[in-house]
Amino acid sequence: DIVMTQSPDSLAVSLGERATINCKSSQSVLHSSDNKNYLAWYQQKAGQPPKLLIYWASARESGVPDRFSGSGSGTDFTLTISSLQAEDVAVYYCQQYYTIPPYTFGQGTKLEIK
Amino acid sequence: EAQLVESGGGLVQPGGSLRLSCAASGFSFSSYWMSWVRQSPGKGLEWVANINQEQSERYYVDSVKGRFTISRDNAKNSLYLQMNSLRAEDTAVYYCARGGNSWAFWGQGTLVTVSS
Repeated sequence: DIVMTQSPDSLAVSLGERATINCKSSQSVLHSSDNKNYLAWYQQKAGQPPKLLIYWASARESGVPDRFSGSGSGTDFTLTISSLQAEDVAVYYCQQYYTIPPYTFGQGTKLEIK
Repeated sequence: EAQLVESGGGLVQPGGSLRLSCAASGFSFSSYWMSWVRQSPGKGLEWVANINQEQSERYYVDSVKGRFTISRDNAKNSLYLQMNSLRAEDTAVYYCARGGNSWAFWGQGTLVTVSS
């Protein structure tokens, strides 16, 4: 199984500042056949189901604010929130869909306001 | 508007069974892979199973193989998860999600508690 490891486990950032969350996979999730990274990012607010933010490592889901961006390739990925808003307080998860079964998630990163 | 509504959760004793249902509306259910993803209380997310449109492909996480069965009824726009031989570690909120490998649309979840 591909193990996804996020860092840090928790993060406190001031409003308007940049937040950066990292995700590392135990093996590459870059498919040579299509040159795509099979990596997604989700946001989960308290009491709600997860919300898809980013897929193919850097493609923003429709309706997601452009302050959210994804980058990286192979085994190392980053979710960046360029200017933190109060409504961004949540737990963020990365997920690989390179191999099936199973699809695997990172352990989550809790983002709070400093 | 697209909607997924799970039902069937509840309290069950270890070794017992439960059948979860997910009613889909507002989109062409028969055109999509569908999945179950669970989240233990206060913990992270775990993909459980998925199924293709024709039910010819089904995949499971190792921890539920042989105990859980995913199925669907396209005529009823419904997804199911039959859970047998339940264990305490199966306690979680179970989400129905549209898609096979990444999920842009989720239900609100149904809580399954396995306890004596």
